[in-house]
Amino acid sequence: NAGVTQTPKFRILKIGQSMTLQCTQDMNHNYMYWYRQDPGMGLKLIYYSVGAGITDKGEVPNGYNVSRSTTEDFPLRLELAAPSQTSVYFCASSFRQGMDYTFGSGTRLTVV
Amino acid sequence: QKEVEQNSGPLSVPEGAIASLNCTYSDRGSQSFFWYRQYSGKSPELIMSIYSNGDKEDGRFTAQLNKASQYVSLLIRDSQPSDSATYLCAVRESGGTSYGKLTFGQGTILTVHP
Repeated sequence: NAGVTQTPKFRILKIGQSMTLQCTQDMNHNYMYWYRQDPGMGLKLIYYSVGAGITDKGEVPNGYNVSRSTTEDFPLRLELAAPSQTSVYFCASSFRQGMDYTFGSGTRLTVV
Repeated sequence: QKEVEQNSGPLSVPEGAIASLNCTYSDRGSQSFFWYRQYSGKSPELIMSIYSNGDKEDGRFTAQLNKASQYVSLLIRDSQPSDSATYLCAVRESGGTSYGKLTFGQGTILTVHP
């Protein structure tokens, strides 16, 4: 099994550009999460989903949007990229609420 | 806002020593606590979970929980250079609308030197 797959692994964006970070899981998990990790910091929750069609904001949602049209996919959309969005983005999924997270390998994003 | 605080690092210990990592949390209703290990440039991986007061041992790792003091710790015995990583404390939020999301601490960088 692939687990949680994130693409791309690296990306450089110019200020004002937009992009979508892809996240796919093949474990039939209902719960999916997007976190960002700034250098030397822990993980901060951006958005999460408890099932297809259901999403909600986390701690730091400004500048991001998500959708969950299928159980497998949970893309994160960045609109009008800003330098403050330079970070490493991790997608995670879990079978039970907040338990046994499986993380993707991350996307390192730089906004210049 | 629920908060999770970890002891400031970085922490450096000699090989074979005990490394002690500490974490406090603000959500008094939390019942589930986790320690993740993150190697440089990699994603976090779960190494320990603890739900009841007291100690839980798994090989060289021991997690300790004191809910009254809102304190959780991780001890690594016989530390090895391969234990050098960032250790993240995570607390599962309580409350019906939280959906059990995890709140992470800022991490403690551990270096084990030969």
